Amino acid sequence: DTGVSQDPRHKITKRGQNVTFRCDPISEHNRLYWYRQTLGQGPEFLTYFQNEAQLEKSRLLSDRFSAERPKGSFSTLEIQRTEQGDSAMYLCASSLLQGLNSPLHFGNGTRLTVT
Amino acid sequence: AQSVTQLGSHVSVSEGALVLLRCNYSSSVPPYLFWYVQYPNQGLQLLLKYTTGATLVKGINGFEAEFKKSETSFHLTKPSAHMSDAAEYFCAVSLGGSNYKLTFGKGTLLTMNP
Repeated sequence: DTGVSQDPRHKITKRGQNVTFRCDPISEHNRLYWYRQTLGQGPEFLTYFQNEAQLEKSRLLSDRFSAERPKGSFSTLEIQRTEQGDSAMYLCASSLLQGLNSPLHFGNGTRLTVT
Repeated sequence: AQSVTQLGSHVSVSEGALVLLRCNYSSSVPPYLFWYVQYPNQGLQLLLKYTTGATLVKGINGFEAEFKKSETSFHLTKPSAHMSDAAEYFCAVSLGGSNYKLTFGKGTLLTMNP
């Protein structure tokens, strides 16, 4: 169990630029989740995948955001035309399909700063 | 819909003292409840969870929590704090049957008195 890996750890970008984050889940985990955490707040659900299928997207995920998990393994989260309000920690988590007996394992996050 | 309220954004205790972090939830169905801990610049680690069965749940690092339906609470306790417990703690709730869509509270920062 090598844990959930996220890359990069930190990203500074100028407003209007596009950014892409990567998440590598624990290898046997079917489910993959993206959350966003802003300063002083708890994580907020963005979207989740079961294998390669994106099953739910939060209303927080505007049209500028897109997530993919093409082969049911790693996932990418892209933000187009970044805005200062996108500055946050983006957390990825994974779990097995077995539901309540399978906790979410979180990565260390990607901290995005939009200047 | 569900929500979580963590009372007290910051709690400070001395080493060896009791730790009590408060969490109240709102849920339209019987909830599943979780406590996570986050150390600086790290992701979240599960401390403990309540799904069904025994209402007193024991977790890692000596923490435990009790589900009280009548009070809609799930407070986290530890009898004797250790310096390494300094971190941010998040209470979370999900609707029964799946743990995928966690709703988190705003967190409580636990610091240790010098």
